[in-house]
Amino acid sequence: DAKTTQPPSMDCAEGRAANLPCNHSTISGNEYVYWYRQIHSQGPQYIIHGLKNNETNEMASLIITEDRKSSTLILPHATLRDTAVYYCIVKGATNKLIFGTGTLLAVQP
Amino acid sequence: EAGVAQSPRYKIIEKRQSVAFWCNPISGHATLYWYQQILGQGPKLLIQFQNNGVVDDSQLPKDRFSAERLKGVDSTLKIQPAKLEDSAVYLCASSSLRWALVQNEQFFGPGTRLTVL
Repeated sequence: DAKTTQPPSMDCAEGRAANLPCNHSTISGNEYVYWYRQIHSQGPQYIIHGLKNNETNEMASLIITEDRKSSTLILPHATLRDTAVYYCIVKGATNKLIFGTGTLLAVQP
Repeated sequence: EAGVAQSPRYKIIEKRQSVAFWCNPISGHATLYWYQQILGQGPKLLIQFQNNGVVDDSQLPKDRFSAERLKGVDSTLKIQPAKLEDSAVYLCASSSLRWALVQNEQFFGPGTRLTVL
């Protein structure tokens, strides 16, 4: 499974959009991009996933570049409850989630 | 719908002692996972069950760790004997077979925080 690179931390003002980048330059054609998040003292929570097209659900939007080498998770209106570690994961045929160290998003009031 | 349940939430033991963790997945979920999360790192998969059979245990330190899933429902993870480096949060997750094939959404429990002194 391809590796991902994320910034260790980011800040965002409450009510503003939070844009979390992820690089996955070695991704192959059949690998999906997944995003999970982990709020302090809780287990990880699924957010969204995509292959080629941009995706949106009630939690977030996922923008994948045309060459698929990078993606951005967008939280349109961040709240204090969105403060968490966000994991970008590339998942292939093994059906295994391999977590990196993620990005700690701190939403400031 | 009830989530994944784990117990205990916290455990403190001395090195060389034994410890066991329990997990009750979401009803009807065929796939169950155990992860180890060391402070400052992302979760690492230890073992994956499909019903009561092991799918992947390549990262499980089999000389001291064991896991079972009797009757394809609840699961226990045991460490015997514990080492200092086993201090971590042990997370259990489950997914339905349908979701595992479609989008691999895993539902995680709150975890058990183990401290080995």
